Amino acid sequence: EPEVTQTPSHQVTQMGQEVILRCVPISNHLYFYWYRQILGQKVEFLVSFYNNEISEKSEIFDDQFSVERPDGSNFTLKIRSTKLEDSAMYFCASNGLGAKETQYFGPGTRLLVL
Amino acid sequence: AQRVTQPEKLLSVFKGAPVELKCNYSYSGSPELFWYVQYSRQRLQLLLRHISRESIKGFTADLNKGETSFHLKKPFAQEEDSAMYYCALPQSHDQKVTFGTGTKLQVIP
Repeated sequence: EPEVTQTPSHQVTQMGQEVILRCVPISNHLYFYWYRQILGQKVEFLVSFYNNEISEKSEIFDDQFSVERPDGSNFTLKIRSTKLEDSAMYFCASNGLGAKETQYFGPGTRLLVL
Repeated sequence: AQRVTQPEKLLSVFKGAPVELKCNYSYSGSPELFWYVQYSRQRLQLLLRHISRESIKGFTADLNKGETSFHLKKPFAQEEDSAMYYCALPQSHDQKVTFGTGTKLQVIP
């Protein structure tokens, strides 16, 4: 059964550095999402992406964040200048029909900003 | 504003006991609610959604619009049910999903 994959599984970075988190959604899916989960807190929506553009973003998704689908398979989340409070688990998800349908999640990338 | 509330952070029950994980929502419109589960060291995955009216792994959830609830129930808990459970609500007009804070279910053998 196809699955969403994410790399790396863990990333440690210094404050102020740029990080790129990578996701490979399920191949025939059209909608892509990023969520984050700060340790001990809820899963928070960051952004949704469809047809090569952002369709919705949360207030968390400020100018430091960007998403891209550079080729037919990868979906990336870039944080330009990381802050301590960006430390969290970042989940990618995808589906074929949009937010009202089941989301298929990746295993997550644990980001630690020092 | 759209909101999902899971009032219990932790729910501990004995094996064989009934389980009810609470989820309340606020939403202007006809909601479509989901329960996702995250077993230890595994990814978030769909458990069930109200529109399908299925019973998955013995769990059911009924949408109660009067009480704005979508509680998850199972008559007899099993040890393998121990996990984090999240209630989720997509918005109607855009591609955003609101998750509850999650409830950790601990089934005691």
